Amino acid sequence: NAGVTQTPKFQVLKTGQSMTLQCAQDMNHNSMYWYRQDPGMGLRLIYYSASEGTTDKGEVPNGYNVSRLNKREFSLRLESAAPSQTSVYFCASSEAFATVSRGETRQYFGPGTRLTVT
Amino acid sequence: GDSVTQMEGPVTLSEEAFLTINCTYTATGYPSLFWYVQYPGEGLQLLLKATKADDKGSNKGFEATYRKETTSFHLEKGSVQVSDSAVYFCALSDLYRDDKIIFGKGTRLHILP
Repeated sequence: NAGVTQTPKFQVLKTGQSMTLQCAQDMNHNSMYWYRQDPGMGLRLIYYSASEGTTDKGEVPNGYNVSRLNKREFSLRLESAAPSQTSVYFCASSEAFATVSRGETRQYFGPGTRLTVT
Repeated sequence: GDSVTQMEGPVTLSEEAFLTINCTYTATGYPSLFWYVQYPGEGLQLLLKATKADDKGSNKGFEATYRKETTSFHLEKGSVQVSDSAVYFCALSDLYRDDKIIFGKGTRLHILP
């Protein structure tokens, strides 16, 4: 099992460029998540997909779109990158959405994508 | 809304020292509480959890007790090692709210040999 994989590991964009961050999990998990991590801010949820075919906004969705391509894959797209989107992006997955709250299942995180927008 | 507050870092200790990282929370429901650890260059890993008041989570020598009366979930370890150097995140998730995990800002721990 590879767990949660993300590509690319590093990316530098110019303001206004677009790109898609890819995430895949091989654990047959139903729920997937995208977070961004900024110094002094902890992790903030951008979007999540509680189950295949559904996506919902998290805490900081502006400037992003997502696609739950299938059960394995959940991509994050920046249509017009801005310097404020410079961050480390983490994808995560869990067996189910609600059971994370009860502590019955856990989220598994990918290694992260470090994005710099100049 | 729900929130998590943890002590600011960085925290620098010598090997074998006692560690406490404070975490307090605000929640209107009945949250589960978590500590995640992020080693350099890696994603987050769940370190331990507690799902109800007075539960104690433990793993790899780390412990934290869910204290409802003080709304706290402090992380402790009796004797830290250099390999414990990482960023530690306290988090909560509230089943009766929207199930999302809310993370604290993280505390960087640096252990000196």
